[in-house]
Amino acid sequence: QVQLVQSGAEVKKPGASVKVSCKASGYTFTSYGISWVRQAPGQGLEWMGWISAYNGNTNYAQKLQGRVTMTTDTSTSTAYMELRSLRSDDTAVYYCARDLYGSGTPSDYWGQGTLVTVSS
Amino acid sequence: EIVMTQSPATLSVSPGERATLSCRASQSVSSNLAWYQQKPGQAPRLLIYGASTRATGIPARFSGSGSGTEFTLTISSLQSEDFAVYYCQQYNNWPDTFGQGTKLEIK
Repeated sequence: QVQLVQSGAEVKKPGASVKVSCKASGYTFTSYGISWVRQAPGQGLEWMGWISAYNGNTNYAQKLQGRVTMTTDTSTSTAYMELRSLRSDDTAVYYCARDLYGSGTPSDYWGQGTLVTVSS
Repeated sequence: EIVMTQSPATLSVSPGERATLSCRASQSVSSNLAWYQQKPGQAPRLLIYGASTRATGIPARFSGSGSGTEFTLTISSLQSEDFAVYYCQQYNNWPDTFGQGTKLEIK
């Protein structure tokens, strides 16, 4: 069965960086893209960006451009999301999610979420 | 970016009754509209894509309709497990954008 398993919770200081991993199993990793979505406490969902696991092409939300990098390691079927220059308003649960059937489609399988807390 | 507006913010409905949730896009998204259900402490769950296609394993009581800028999610007979927050998402244009959510609560 398809599974996305994310790395554990992180606590970071303002200005630091965080890298969240998302290990996929149960499907051919390079056949689908991965989106990253975050959710601040008590708030709605915010799309952060997308990466093709086939060729590494990315598309990032403009508000995060320059601070976020999404990568994949096809040898381990793992996707990564790195966010730099962390601020308090980056405190959120970060989710990875698999494309339903290709680029520009909704997400059918989601990771369990990774809580990133930014606090001095 | 395309702004998605959901209404109402909170909907109170009794079990067994019908619930109708709305989602409006600031410009046409064709039929590239998905609905998700999210329960506390859980990841979102895909319910509907292509505005009206149920995702795998989703009960028939969930239905979606609409195209262009106006969309509706209908839950025909509410079960206890349906009380949750529902989000719409457009994926017609990057960036994908979500509505702010509708909380479906027990009346």
